Amino acid sequence: AQSVTQLDSQVPVFEEAPVELRCNYSSSVSVYLFWYVQYPNQGLQLLLKYLSGSTLVKGINGFEAEFNKSQTSFHLRKPSVHISDTAEYFCAVSVGGGSNYKLTFGKGTLLTVNP
Amino acid sequence: DSGVTQTPKHLITATGQRVTLRCSPRSGDLSVYWYQQSLDQGLQFLIQYYNGEERAKGNILERFSAQQFPDLHSELNLSSLELGDSALYFCASGSLLGAGNTIYFGEGSWLTVV
Repeated sequence: AQSVTQLDSQVPVFEEAPVELRCNYSSSVSVYLFWYVQYPNQGLQLLLKYLSGSTLVKGINGFEAEFNKSQTSFHLRKPSVHISDTAEYFCAVSVGGGSNYKLTFGKGTLLTVNP
Repeated sequence: DSGVTQTPKHLITATGQRVTLRCSPRSGDLSVYWYQQSLDQGLQFLIQYYNGEERAKGNILERFSAQQFPDLHSELNLSSLELGDSALYFCASGSLLGAGNTIYFGEGSWLTVV
């Protein structure tokens, strides 16, 4: 079975600083990887996803993530954060196909951007 | 706005009661997923339906059941409610089966059991 570990439950940073949110996964088969963001009192919104091809994936709001198969990681990065990036970020993995598809989420990382 | 609509947004009920949460997927999406989000368990996959048929089951309790109707909306029924069932319940929808499919989440239904 697949699993996702988000190594930091909370990440505080100052505005305009770079940030990296770490995600490691475990799976015995090929995976697809996702990052979702949840703003306060809202549902989850897709930031980016990795299916195949280039290991560097660019998403919305200036975020990007790099798939590293050897380290089984999919860390999310942004070179300069804004106050509005304050939210909870979830890494997720899916395997399989057809009728047995589901997303498995990590516990989430709360990113707090301070002025 | 993801296009996934969930009702009610908030619900307070007593232990032992039964509630029904409703979800309308995005136009054209055949798949509906239910997730439970709580502080201690995080986001837990409950169940998936595709075009009316159950396709995948996760950590769904026997007291919980779901169905997807011919018009593709879905309902999650929670019965014999316990305090520990208090959580945010998300519905999500997607257009395809398959592991790379993006699923779109509604804003959730907050359930408080008192």
